[in-house]
Amino acid sequence: NAGVTQTPKFQVLKTGQSMTLQCAQDMNHNSMYWYRQDPGMGLRLIYYSASEGTTDKGEVPNGYNVSRLNKREFSLRLESAAPSQTSVYFCASRTYRVAEKLFFGSGTQLSVL
Amino acid sequence: DQQVKQNSPSLSVQEGRISILNCDYTNSMFDYFLWYKKYPAEGPTFLISISSIKDKNEDGRFTVFLNKSAKHLSLHIVPSQPGDSAVYFCAASALDNAGNMLTFGGGTRLMVKP
Repeated sequence: NAGVTQTPKFQVLKTGQSMTLQCAQDMNHNSMYWYRQDPGMGLRLIYYSASEGTTDKGEVPNGYNVSRLNKREFSLRLESAAPSQTSVYFCASRTYRVAEKLFFGSGTQLSVL
Repeated sequence: DQQVKQNSPSLSVQEGRISILNCDYTNSMFDYFLWYKKYPAEGPTFLISISSIKDKNEDGRFTVFLNKSAKHLSLHIVPSQPGDSAVYFCAASALDNAGNMLTFGGGTRLMVKP
């Protein structure tokens, strides 16, 4: 059982380039999330999708867009990457109406030069 | 302004001793708290949780204590093992928000020395 799968694991971009981070879960979870982790800042929520067909902004949405492609897949897009977006990105999922236990992917380490 | 704070970025303990990781929060609406553990190059994994109706929850070597009046929670690991060396995040949410906003602290890196 793969759980939450993120691709790619590593990526280096130049300022202004665009890219999409992919996430898929095989646990039949309703809700999916994108977090970024920065030193000393913990995990901050970028965007989430409470259920298929809905997306909402989290704490730090500027510079990002998301697509909930279907129940399994939730992608994060950087349209014009900036050095401030250098971070580790985590996708997570959970079932709806269950206490707040999130299942995380292994992360994407992104560097923007 | 961070609503969940872990004031100790790192902690070093000897194998077999107790590890105590602390977490403070400011939002009085938080009523559910979790601890996650993270190894390098892996995603965080759920460790233990506690709801605000309790002041203690225990799972094997791990115990979480909640002091609502002080808006403080702590994670105790007894006895500590080298495999416990990881970054620990506390997180909090309000159950009535459908779980969409889980607020994390900055993390504490625990090092357990053999």
